[in-house]
Amino acid sequence: GNSVTQMEGPVTLSEEAFLTINCTYTATGYPSLFWYVQYPGEGLQLLLKATKADDKGSNKGFEATYRKETTSFHLEKGSVQVSDSAVYFCALETSGSRLTFGEGTQLTVNP
Amino acid sequence: SQTIHQWPATLVQPVGSPLSLECTVEGTSNPNLYWYRQAAGRGLQLLFYSVGIGQISSEVPQNLSASRPQDRQFILSSKKLLLSDSGFYLCAWRVSPNTDTQYFGPGTRLTVL
Repeated sequence: GNSVTQMEGPVTLSEEAFLTINCTYTATGYPSLFWYVQYPGEGLQLLLKATKADDKGSNKGFEATYRKETTSFHLEKGSVQVSDSAVYFCALETSGSRLTFGEGTQLTVNP
Repeated sequence: SQTIHQWPATLVQPVGSPLSLECTVEGTSNPNLYWYRQAAGRGLQLLFYSVGIGQISSEVPQNLSASRPQDRQFILSSKKLLLSDSGFYLCAWRVSPNTDTQYFGPGTRLTVL
């Protein structure tokens, strides 16, 4: 079956620090990969996605590259801001299946 | 543009009481609809999904149920709440199973005491 493993949190960084949140997956077939973000008290928002190997998804300064050889989709940002504090979810979906989410990683950015 | 609404935003209920959470989608027809639960400190668990009116699939056996009385309305219910039902309930929609982006509602925070 499909599964997603995320780096355990919480992660605490200072403003302007470099961010990496690791995500690896197991899937049957060729999944699409996603990062969702959940700001405090809100629902989930799609942050970025990649639908095939070597694709790079990017949005709001965040990037993630679909690495088929390592079955990974790590989230990165070069310089985080306080407003990036949120919970980040890695997710995958294969054709005909439902979205499978990781456990989520809490990020706190201090000024 | 499409929007998704959930209410109430927060709810505190005693153990054994009934539950009804509502989700509606605007600006699209025949969406695929989903109910997720997020327990404290945990990821999202898919509870139910629906591909059309009256069509409900359950992912996890439990004391919750779902109904879709209208095309853009999805309701999550329980006859008797348990303490373990506490959590953050999220409704989501997308155009079809073959489109890869799900859009989430703002969520309902349920506390069962």
